[in-house]
Amino acid sequence: NAGVMQNPRHLVRRRGQEARLRCSPMKGHSHVYWYRQLPEEGLKFMVYLQKENIIDESGMPKERFSAEFPKEGPSILRIQQVVRGDSAAYFCASSRSGQDWETQYFGPGTRLLVL
Amino acid sequence: AQTVTQSQPEMSVQEAETVTLSCTYDTSESDYYLFWYKQPPSRQMILVIRQEAYKQQNATENRFSVNFQKAAKSFSLKISDSQLGDAAMYFCAYRRMDSNYQLIWGAGTKLIIKP
Repeated sequence: NAGVMQNPRHLVRRRGQEARLRCSPMKGHSHVYWYRQLPEEGLKFMVYLQKENIIDESGMPKERFSAEFPKEGPSILRIQQVVRGDSAAYFCASSRSGQDWETQYFGPGTRLLVL
Repeated sequence: AQTVTQSQPEMSVQEAETVTLSCTYDTSESDYYLFWYKQPPSRQMILVIRQEAYKQQNATENRFSVNFQKAAKSFSLKISDSQLGDAAMYFCAYRRMDSNYQLIWGAGTKLIIKP
């Protein structure tokens, strides 16, 4: 059973460009979570999605950031007009359901560097 | 609001020895989950161990065990017979019982294994 997959693993963008980060959850998982990790810090929750629905986006900046989890295909975290402060590791996690006992399993992360 | 504190930015241990990583948290909830995640140099986030607050018995996974002190709001991780592969950042995380997302993370402890 393949784990959570994220691509690309590394992404370099110039200021003002768009960054698209992809996350394929574990097989059988329909709940996806995105976190951001700044250097020397723990992870910070950004957004929680189920298939075709955003459940909680309270941790995601209101401007330039968006997320989706379509019926088919991976979840996408999109950052428009990137700035240097967006440089971070972005982790995706998935779980089988939204039940409270479910554990989240993490992908390897995407390291975004904005030049 | 819940917070998680890891007071040891870095710890070192001799190979084959035992080391304990500290974690304290603050919450007004009575039921919740606690986790230890490991982040090796590959930066993959790996679940090490999980504890349900309503369980009095400390969780154990092979060489990894926790000392859960609910009244003291303490959740330390003990690694026995340390191995070179244990070298990593270790993150303590908290999650409310009624929500399976929004993990609250500590800042991490870097564990160095001396051969």
